[in-house]
Amino acid sequence: GAGVSQSPSNKVTEKGKDVELRCDPISGHTALYWYRQSLGQGLEFLIYFQGNSAPDKSGLPSDRFSAERTGGSVSTLTIQRTQQEDSAVYLCASSLAFRFTGGSYGYTFGSGTRLTVV
Amino acid sequence: GQQLNQSPQSMFIQEGEDVSMNCTSSSIFNTWLWYKQDPGEGPVLLIALYKAGELTSNGRLTAQFGITRKDSFLNISASIPSDVGIYFCAGRQTGANNLFFGTGTRLTVIP
Repeated sequence: GAGVSQSPSNKVTEKGKDVELRCDPISGHTALYWYRQSLGQGLEFLIYFQGNSAPDKSGLPSDRFSAERTGGSVSTLTIQRTQQEDSAVYLCASSLAFRFTGGSYGYTFGSGTRLTVV
Repeated sequence: GQQLNQSPQSMFIQEGEDVSMNCTSSSIFNTWLWYKQDPGEGPVLLIALYKAGELTSNGRLTAQFGITRKDSFLNISASIPSDVGIYFCAGRQTGANNLFFGTGTRLTVIP
């Protein structure tokens, strides 16, 4: 597609339930990133996928969080046993290449999924 | 993760005024970027900087990569109502897979 597509745009879930968030990156973008944006905060890195390489999971806050990327395209972020502190906007971004070599190699972000845990 | 200290946290300015915001870090970055986020949207790239001392403009926006490689600033000249939003700095370190983001500057332009 023309941009990064995320679904759902909003999700309200009960504490303790599992949720899945989906990201459809720009076609041809080999790198995919998940970030979390809590109210009034900056963007917190969660996980990074690059091609067929093992993902960089160094930003995942707990073992309740996991993500996968199937076929080098669509990615799913799963949060198990959700807690109220998981409430945030989850942003996905994709880019052409891992290295920023000049020009337009910055991320393209989706509009995010606003997750509310009640 | 790395801390990028962005200031000010918020600004209220009159339309037509110039705006300046900055971002500092205790660590060296080899790339600095500035993004703008509108409500309900993801951040959009405004300017990217790749060399220490680099000064780059994009319309009414000007950004500089600090010589120490630990800071960057963004200026907006002659602000207009559509400049309203949250501005984020972001930096990348050598060997890192991801960008680190500042906490944002929320800009309000009063017509």
